[in-house]
Amino acid sequence: GQNIDQPTEMTATEGAIVQINCTYQTSGFNGLFWYQQHAGEAPTFLSYNVLDGLEEKGRFSSFLSRSKGYSYLLLKELQMKDSASYLCAFMDSNYQLIWGAGTKLIIKP
Amino acid sequence: ETGVTQSPTHLIKTRGQQVTLRCSSQSGHNTVSWYQQALGQGPQFIFQYYREEENGRGNFPPRFSGLQFPNYSSELNVNALELDDSALYLCASSLATSNSGANVLTFGAGSRLTVL
Repeated sequence: GQNIDQPTEMTATEGAIVQINCTYQTSGFNGLFWYQQHAGEAPTFLSYNVLDGLEEKGRFSSFLSRSKGYSYLLLKELQMKDSASYLCAFMDSNYQLIWGAGTKLIIKP
Repeated sequence: ETGVTQSPTHLIKTRGQQVTLRCSSQSGHNTVSWYQQALGQGPQFIFQYYREEENGRGNFPPRFSGLQFPNYSSELNVNALELDDSALYLCASSLATSNSGANVLTFGAGSRLTVL
């Protein structure tokens, strides 16, 4: 079967670093996506990993280990505007996205 | 370039009624997908259209149907509405090419449907 799991909520402090983990199980895999979704808004694309390793993009980095079925999103130098839900999703063998429930990130001053 | 636009943004219906939601794809995109997102949950895939034909469907009953038009805009129709259909309905467009697999989705802001 297929499943994907991420923490429901995390809290971090402005200026700090936070890592949001995502684990998944699937027989067919065509990459993992991270999206950011502010309350009441559309999800916006953050990153895509299809090979193992770390992809860095400014303050955000995403890591993938296919053998472990594991990914994380790393956010550095947190800003208040980073308060949002972070959705991970893997693409299965039919190129359909299977989404996690999202991690609500709360940033405190 | 314009992004993905959806209408209406909010609507209220009663059980048993029918609803049509509309989506205009991002300029240059040829594929549209529809998702249902319940409060506090991730998006659930409903179906995808490419070249005006459905080419993928999630675990949704036949009363969920759709269309894609020659200009790549799309409609989602839901018949015989149930209370559990209350959710945010997201449309996402992407550009599918013959040699690409994973495509980045561009989402619209969604249509929030409340069924009473």
